[in-house]
Amino acid sequence: EIVLTQSPGTLSLSPGESATLSCRASQSVSSTYLAWYQQKPGQAPRLLIYGASNRAAGIPDRFSGSGSGTDFILTINRLEPEDFAVYYCQQYDNSPPTYTFGQGTKLEIK
Amino acid sequence: QVQLQESGPGLVTPSGTLSLTCAVSGDSIGRRSWWSWVRQSPGKGLEWIGQIRDDGDTSYTPSLRGRVTISVDKYKNQFSLTLRSVTAADTAVYYCSKHAGYNQGHWGQGTLVTVSS
Repeated sequence: EIVLTQSPGTLSLSPGESATLSCRASQSVSSTYLAWYQQKPGQAPRLLIYGASNRAAGIPDRFSGSGSGTDFILTINRLEPEDFAVYYCQQYDNSPPTYTFGQGTKLEIK
Repeated sequence: QVQLQESGPGLVTPSGTLSLTCAVSGDSIGRRSWWSWVRQSPGKGLEWIGQIRDDGDTSYTPSLRGRVTISVDKYKNQFSLTLRSVTAADTAVYYCSKHAGYNQGHWGQGTLVTVSS
């Protein structure tokens, strides 16, 4: 089973700054199978990035994803107040077909 | 735009069975898409439970295999989750979702299920 480890656990930044969130896999993951989600309190998760670097519909271009193999990054430029939330990475393994999430990174206002 | 709505009892007794349904609107469940259940224990992260396709093909997370069943009713345009022999550790918000490729692109609002006597 592939384990995803996200870092840092909590990131404290101010609006206008840039955030870099890391997701490391215990073994290589196809970029096609790596996604990022945003979750705000009391809300369902929202898909941000799929295929490691593709923005989902309606996601602002200040969100970007990169990486390959075991190391993936979510970058958020020019933080807006609404960006402060918890972010999860997710991977799909096709043998057997299963999904796993990272433990999450909380992005909080400094 | 697809919409998903979870429903079911909010309270289940220990050792009992948790049963939830996800009603799908704005889309047909019978279009070879995958549909998933994901849960989130209070204050914790997300846990994928399992998925189903309209032809009944399923897969489940290893930790719950043996206790969980996901089924689909194409005629009612809904799919369901059954989790047997529940304990307090199964207390969580349960979400249903529709896949968009290899991810969950659309989510229901979630429903809290508490396991308690």
